[in-house]
Amino acid sequence: DAGITQSPRHKVTETGTPVTLRCHQTENHRYMYWYRQDPGHGLRLIHYSYGVKDTDKGEVSDGYSVSRSKTEDFLLTLESATSSQTSVYFCAISGLAGGEIQYFGAGTRLSVL
Amino acid sequence: QQQVKQSPQSLIVQKGGISIINCAYENTAFDYFPWYQQFPGKGPALLIAIRPDVSEKKEGRFTISFNKSAKQFSLHIMDSQPGDSATYFCAANGDSSYKLIFGSGTRLLVRP
Repeated sequence: DAGITQSPRHKVTETGTPVTLRCHQTENHRYMYWYRQDPGHGLRLIHYSYGVKDTDKGEVSDGYSVSRSKTEDFLLTLESATSSQTSVYFCAISGLAGGEIQYFGAGTRLSVL
Repeated sequence: QQQVKQSPQSLIVQKGGISIINCAYENTAFDYFPWYQQFPGKGPALLIAIRPDVSEKKEGRFTISFNKSAKQFSLHIMDSQPGDSATYFCAANGDSSYKLIFGSGTRLLVRP
C-alpha cells in the first residue's frame, strides 16, 4: 500500500469517547488526506494537509479534527465519537504536482456503539 | 457543481462479457478523471485516468471513453474476468489540482 500504514486497523468504541486514528507514510509525500467510505456515498474527504501544520477542511469535516506535526504523520481525531461516525476511514497520500495520483492505505474500520 | 454521479450502483456480468460503468459531472473546470479499483478489505488503487483533451484511453482490457460536450465519462472492461470483481470509483479533480471528488462507487461481480 505505497508505504502507508494506518493504525489501528479496527476499533470499537463507545459514543462520547475520543478516538484518534493515525496515518504514517514513508514516501515523503507532501499531501495527505483522510476519507470516510460509506455505502452509497463513495469516498468523502474529511480533511487534508498540504504540508506540516497546514491543513484544511473537506466536505464532511464536522466532528473531526486533524493534526500534522511531521511530514510522515497525519492524525484524525474524533473529539466525541457518535454512531454516525461508524465508517471505514482511509488515509491517502500524493506528491509531486498534487492529488492527481492518490495512494491509499488499507483503511481503519471504526465502530461507534 | 462539485458532484460526480456514478451508475449503476451494482453490476453483474458473465465471464467474457463487457462491463460498463458511467459517470457524469457538472463542473467544466474539471480536467482530470481517474478510475480507482478497490478489492474487499483493501484501499482503492488507481486503475486508469484520462484528461479531456482525448476522447478515449485504453490500457489492456480497460478503456475510458470521454465525452466532453456531454460531461460524461465511462469505464469499459472488455473480456471481464472473475478477478475483476471489485468496487470501482470514478473521480474528478475538484476545486484544486490536489483534491479528488469521488463517485458513489459501482460493485462489479463477474460470474464464472
